[in-house]
Amino acid sequence: AQKVTQAQTEISVVEKEDVTLDCVYETRDTTYYLFWYKQPPSGELVFLIRRNSFDEQNEISGRYSWNFQKSTSSFNFTITASQVVDSAVYFCALSDGRNDMRFGAGTRLTVKP
Amino acid sequence: DAEITQSPRHKITETGRQVTLACHQTWNHNNMFWYRQDLGHGLRLIHYSYGVQDTNKGEVSDGYSVSRSNTEDLPLTLESAASSQTSVYFCASRGLDNEQFFGPGTRLTVL
Repeated sequence: AQKVTQAQTEISVVEKEDVTLDCVYETRDTTYYLFWYKQPPSGELVFLIRRNSFDEQNEISGRYSWNFQKSTSSFNFTITASQVVDSAVYFCALSDGRNDMRFGAGTRLTVKP
Repeated sequence: DAEITQSPRHKITETGRQVTLACHQTWNHNNMFWYRQDLGHGLRLIHYSYGVQDTNKGEVSDGYSVSRSNTEDLPLTLESAASSQTSVYFCASRGLDNEQFFGPGTRLTVL
């Protein structure tokens, strides 16, 4: 069975600090997809990134970066120089590309000015 | 631009009533999904559909049903609403590149 664990329920940082959100997954599939979504206070789900299991290259997009490590079944998300606008709930998700997407419970990030 | 919409955005109903939540997408995606979001659980899959006339149960399908009569719509019906079904409901559709697009959500309160 597929499972996603986000062990950090809540994180609070001060603006300009770097912060890493952890995501650990479990799957028996050799082909799978990993995602991060952002849910700001307004409630919508904003897609951030998709990674397939064959691409372990780390990715950087502005202040955001993602570290995918199959050896530890982790797909961690780092925000560099955090800003107040980064305050949101962040979800990590896993999909086998066939049926459904399994979500972690989410990490609530609060960035204080 | 293609989009996915949900209606109503907010709904208050009473225990025992039948409720239908609408989901409409203009992406022309075959795959559509309904999730519920509850504190501490993230999003959990209720039902999904791979195309017209196809429906499948997800992780938390009891008390819910869906029908798929066309590509664009996947309405979710609560047969007899219960207080445990108070939640935020998200509809999603998935494209060929496996990215899921989510609707804005419907906040349902069952009194």
